[in-house]
Amino acid sequence: EVQLLESGGGLVQPGGSLRLSCAASGLIFSNYAMNWVRQAPGKGLEWVSAISGGGVGTYYADSVKGRCTVSRDNSKNTLYLQMDSLRAEDTAVYYCAKAPYSYVIGDNGMDVWGQGTAVTVSS
Amino acid sequence: DIQMTQSPSSLSASVGDRVTITCRASRSINSYLSWYHQKPGKAPKLLIYAASSLHGGVPSRFSGSGSGTDFTLTISSLQPEDFATYYCQQSYNTPFTFGPGTKVDIK
Repeated sequence: EVQLLESGGGLVQPGGSLRLSCAASGLIFSNYAMNWVRQAPGKGLEWVSAISGGGVGTYYADSVKGRCTVSRDNSKNTLYLQMDSLRAEDTAVYYCAKAPYSYVIGDNGMDVWGQGTAVTVSS
Repeated sequence: DIQMTQSPSSLSASVGDRVTITCRASRSINSYLSWYHQKPGKAPKLLIYAASSLHGGVPSRFSGSGSGTDFTLTISSLQPEDFATYYCQQSYNTPFTFGPGTKVDIK
């Protein structure tokens, strides 16, 4: 069974940094693109970033471009999201979600999701 | 960026009802459209991908249709476990975008 487990969330002051992790199991991790999706309290889903299976292709939402960096370590089956210059509007639950293929763009959807990790940006 | 809209934003229905939710893209996305549902405090779950393909393990009462800019999710006979919020999402181009959601609750 494929499982994704996020960690690294917490309370951080505005302007601070945080690195989220997503540990994957039950799959050949490098075969699949991965996404980060967030959900602010009481709000809808917002796609944040994606990375191809090999890690070469990376993509970002305008709201985080220049402040966030997505990466992966396929030897550790782990996805990361480095978040810098955090703002109050980054407060959300952050989910990692797997694509069914190694490429990011396609008609495939996100077929497995983690349980999420909560990030709160507040002084 | 491609904008996604959904209608209605919420609906009340009874067990056994047929429910239809509409999603519209601001420009053509071919069939690069997925549907998810989410229950409070839980992660979203994939229902439909490629506009009309049923994800593995999803009951056949769920179906999707459409291409281009207009899409529909239909639940043929609403079950108690289907009360949730439903989102569409385009994967035609980045930034990927979700619709604002449709909350389905009990009448």
